[in-house]
Amino acid sequence: ETGVTQSPTHLIKTRGQQVTLRCSSQSGHNTVSWYQQALGQGPQFIFQYYREEENGRGNFPPRFSGLQFPNYSSELNVNALELDDSALYLCASSLALRGDTIYFGEGSWLTVV
Amino acid sequence: QQQVKQSPQSLIVQKGGIPIINCAYENTAFDYFPWYQQFPGKGPALLIAIRPDVSEKKEGRFTISFNKSAKQFSLHIMDSQPGDSATYFCAASTPGTYKYIFGTGTRLKVLA
Repeated sequence: ETGVTQSPTHLIKTRGQQVTLRCSSQSGHNTVSWYQQALGQGPQFIFQYYREEENGRGNFPPRFSGLQFPNYSSELNVNALELDDSALYLCASSLALRGDTIYFGEGSWLTVV
Repeated sequence: QQQVKQSPQSLIVQKGGIPIINCAYENTAFDYFPWYQQFPGKGPALLIAIRPDVSEKKEGRFTISFNKSAKQFSLHIMDSQPGDSATYFCAASTPGTYKYIFGTGTRLKVLA
């Protein structure tokens, strides 16, 4: 158990819809990163939040956006869902800005139909 | 240059064997190399990590070997058990880039 909790665990959405995924970081961790893991692949970095600001972004389009709240919890929002967005979305928390050691939650499985 | 290449894609060993998973990188700015274990339907769990200033690190049955000049690192699992059957990912991170680059994963099966 890493203390990183994500919700929901599974969800199904229709192409074109919007989705919000939620993450509570490990106690005391001030940095949250989001990763997308397609079936059979390694996780791909989406973005990271530190002190409620986006602090680095991977190669994902602007329809992927996020928020971090004062209690360090975070949301990932994806607009205009596409079939290829079907994946496991992982939240990871860390203490330092650089995130040397990041701890993953169990993820949210998103299926887009 | 940002890739981390992982091999093999899959591996089957007998109980008690020593599976070895290899990773290679190009970016010499990488300075942190963790290994994660992932069971089906679960998030990745940190196993062990190493920095380039050491050539080997052991934690329990898991050992990382690091070859800075060859830009390669590997995971060895001593006395492997059926419960070690999982997918293993290597990763690398660079100071100030805020992200991990993951390998493509190795699916390990340990036969009883």
